[in-house]
Amino acid sequence: SSELTQPPSVSVSPGQTARITCSGDALPKQYSYWYQQKPGQAPMLVIYKDTENPPGVPERFSGSTSGTIVTLTISEVQAEDEAVYYCQSADSTSSYVVFGGGTKLTVL
Amino acid sequence: EMHLVESGGGLVQPGRSLRLSCTVSGFTFGDYAMGWVRQAPGKGLEWVGFIRSKAYGGTTEHGASVRGRFTISRDDSKSIVYLQMNSLKHEDTAVYYCTRDNVAVAGGLDVWGKGTTVTVSS
Repeated sequence: SSELTQPPSVSVSPGQTARITCSGDALPKQYSYWYQQKPGQAPMLVIYKDTENPPGVPERFSGSTSGTIVTLTISEVQAEDEAVYYCQSADSTSSYVVFGGGTKLTVL
Repeated sequence: EMHLVESGGGLVQPGRSLRLSCTVSGFTFGDYAMGWVRQAPGKGLEWVGFIRSKAYGGTTEHGASVRGRFTISRDDSKSIVYLQMNSLKHEDTAVYYCTRDNVAVAGGLDVWGKGTTVTVSS
């Protein structure tokens, strides 16, 4: 299966920890990636290879994996973190890129 | 600094064709796979496809919704990747993003352009 499922929305207060999940049958076999998209902007990679931070991405952003579920954790959430977050992986058979539906993170 | 700049978007009638270009600077274009991702108005991200580097054959893969209508190509001498879109449909209306595609080496889509808007309407 190539589907990735994310919750439509997550809300958190400033300074708290936000956790965004992504589930999919292929996730135990394929790496996961996370992208942040703010309104009117292009997406930006914030996690690659399940747990790695690209240069320039704060360490407050972290990724983890457990079986068919991967999680993006944002610690000490700030107002600037408000965005839509997309998980991405690859189809288990074709290795084609697959995106989750996106999760809107609201900072209360 | 790495830059991807898309161009060629606009208003096009259903059934017609359009070619998008993505001009790259700031890294050795020929060493990387390049791809396209689109986003319909108010919707999520959809993978369009990618083209491998010449070192890996320069072959292409396309998503199911565009396969047979869209074609990705590249000109390494100009550092440009193209998206040829034929037989356009209303549902192809979207912002089209060019990406550096490092998924095959577990690097993700690590560089994005700002996007170009394609509107398919009569």
